[in-house]
Amino acid sequence: GAGVSQSPSNKVTEKGKDVELRCDPISGHTALYWYRQSLGQGLEFLIYFQGNSAPDKSGLPSDRFSAERTGGSVSTLTIQRTQQEDSAVYLCASSLDRGFDGYTFGSGTRLTVV
Amino acid sequence: AQTVTQSQPEMSVQEAETVTLSCTYDTSESNYYLFWYKQPPSRQMILVIRQEAYKQQNATENRFSVNFQKAAKSFSLKISDSQLGDTAMYFCAFMTANDMRFGAGTRLTVKP
Repeated sequence: GAGVSQSPSNKVTEKGKDVELRCDPISGHTALYWYRQSLGQGLEFLIYFQGNSAPDKSGLPSDRFSAERTGGSVSTLTIQRTQQEDSAVYLCASSLDRGFDGYTFGSGTRLTVV
Repeated sequence: AQTVTQSQPEMSVQEAETVTLSCTYDTSESNYYLFWYKQPPSRQMILVIRQEAYKQQNATENRFSVNFQKAAKSFSLKISDSQLGDTAMYFCAFMTANDMRFGAGTRLTVKP
């Protein structure tokens, strides 16, 4: 696609439910990144994919968080048994190869856990 | 570990004036990349300017320029002729390999 697409744009869920957030990167971008941005804060790195592999999962905050990428394209970030502290904007970005020209970001998913 | 510090949580500037946003970083790497991103209320992060650490010349993009001081590990952004549309959060970012880390951001308000 022309840009990085994320869905849904907004998601409200009840505490304890599972949620899936989707990211569709720019066609041809081999690298994909997930970040979390809490209210008024900077970006917290979650996970990075090169193709379908995730060389760096160091940022995932707990075992309730997981992510996968299929076909070198779409990625899904799953949060199980959501907690109120999971409320944040989840941003996805993609880049060519190693991203030295910078990342292209989507508009994010605002997750609210009530 | 690499850290990025933006010491100005909020700044304001009058339309048409010049403003400088500060950023410092800490690293033991010799080759890296630095970026400034803008985040308007739409939430989408937009790349403003990019600097390669091995280049001494400061990057410029129209009204946006940087002052890159490698020895001091400083990377400030200067916005000239500020416009109302420049109102946004600005994030400084540091990158090595596939690892891009962001500062906490500076909220810039351009006043008419």
